[in-house]
Amino acid sequence: GESVGLHLPTLSVQEGDNSIINCAYSNSASDYFIWYKQESGKGPQFIIDIRSNMDKRQGQRVTVLLNKTVKHLSLQIAATQPGDSAVYFCAEPIYNFNKFYFGSGTKLNVKP
Amino acid sequence: NAGVTQTPKFQVLKTGQSMTLQCAQDMNHNSMYWYRQDPGMGLRLIYYSASEGTTDKGEVPNGYNVSRLNKREFSLRLESAAPSQTSVYFCASSASGTGHNEQFFGPGTRLTVL
Repeated sequence: GESVGLHLPTLSVQEGDNSIINCAYSNSASDYFIWYKQESGKGPQFIIDIRSNMDKRQGQRVTVLLNKTVKHLSLQIAATQPGDSAVYFCAEPIYNFNKFYFGSGTKLNVKP
Repeated sequence: NAGVTQTPKFQVLKTGQSMTLQCAQDMNHNSMYWYRQDPGMGLRLIYYSASEGTTDKGEVPNGYNVSRLNKREFSLRLESAAPSQTSVYFCASSASGTGHNEQFFGPGTRLTVL
């Protein structure tokens, strides 16, 4: 199988439950964040983004929360489905642009 | 639209061999990127091209070279492959290089260097 996902933090949830995936960032000057989903054997796919002038942004079944005080992001997935099983990354673009930090990811397993 | 395409999908090389990974996008994006992804780690930027005609080093450029052939195509070359370059390589593109844009990723090239 796909080698990405070894040694990653793993979150297991029951189908239909809500999922919360967390991400910490280090640069207090970061002003934009993106969540990506990576299914096994595929490239990352954009889910949702948020700018630092917002605390919350909602998409279809997903919500991203940003807490700038503690430099923390979370991705909430409502009514988790088997198709949500993947590795989820938060990305922090660094403006000097030779660095584009992706977290190591969290693997979400959805149990039927 | 095919989005971002990469060739080959899989490749096995012997130490010291060279090869070029190809990437093309059909979204008229200005910026293109090459990343590597190792087990248990996030993506690390190798090189990027903010616009046609420009390329710059990312976080882990050693052992690689790139060419932005035209607006559509951005290739990554390994001149003398090493086992440490065994990884999954992703190409991506975005509308602009400000960092405030979604990146669209290709399906990846799985490279093994023996």
